[in-house]
Amino acid sequence: DAGVIQSPRHEVTEMGQEVTLRCKPISGHNSLFWYRQTMMRGLELLIYFNNNVPIDDSGMPEDRFSAKMPNASFSTLKIQPSEPRDSAVYFCASSHSFSSDTQYFGPGTRLTVL
Amino acid sequence: GENVEQHPSTLSVQEGDSAVIKCTYSDSASNYFPWYKQELGKGPQLIIDIRSNVGEKKDQRIAVTLNKTAKHFSLHITETQPEDSAVYFCAASLRGNYQLIWGAGTKLIIKP
Repeated sequence: DAGVIQSPRHEVTEMGQEVTLRCKPISGHNSLFWYRQTMMRGLELLIYFNNNVPIDDSGMPEDRFSAKMPNASFSTLKIQPSEPRDSAVYFCASSHSFSSDTQYFGPGTRLTVL
Repeated sequence: GENVEQHPSTLSVQEGDSAVIKCTYSDSASNYFPWYKQELGKGPQLIIDIRSNVGEKKDQRIAVTLNKTAKHFSLHITETQPEDSAVYFCAASLRGNYQLIWGAGTKLIIKP
């Protein structure tokens, strides 16, 4: 299996621009997670999907952040407008089922907002 | 809510020596404790986990111990090798609950 795929791997943008991060979970997995990692705050869960439905978005920092999962093989995390404090590494992870414990992480997208 | 504390934040050991990383948790209901390894430029990857019905689990050079009474669990790496250099994260959750509560991470440095 190819594992969780994320694109782009690196993104540099200017403040105010829209940013879209993409994720393809492992085939057959029906749980998907978006995380943000920074030195100051560590790993933060932003949103959790189960069977393509958002279950918990309490970690989404502001209305500028939105996430979608239109089908079982694709999810996006969008930031509009972006701000310098959004600079971080964003990870997508998937797991086999709601009750499965192991989360498989993608390689991450390093976002820099100038 | 659950809180997980992890120590030390940085650990430097001589190649071949053992390394121990410790975590404490606050919610006595937590019953699942995974350890993830994050190499530079990669996402965290599960290396070992333990459930609250066992006190110790081993997988080759790594082991995890759990003390439910004291609410702490530890990762032990023996015969450390250069490829063990990474950041290690502990986490805690209720089994079957999607939400992992993460420790802050330990940067393990293996000195040649």
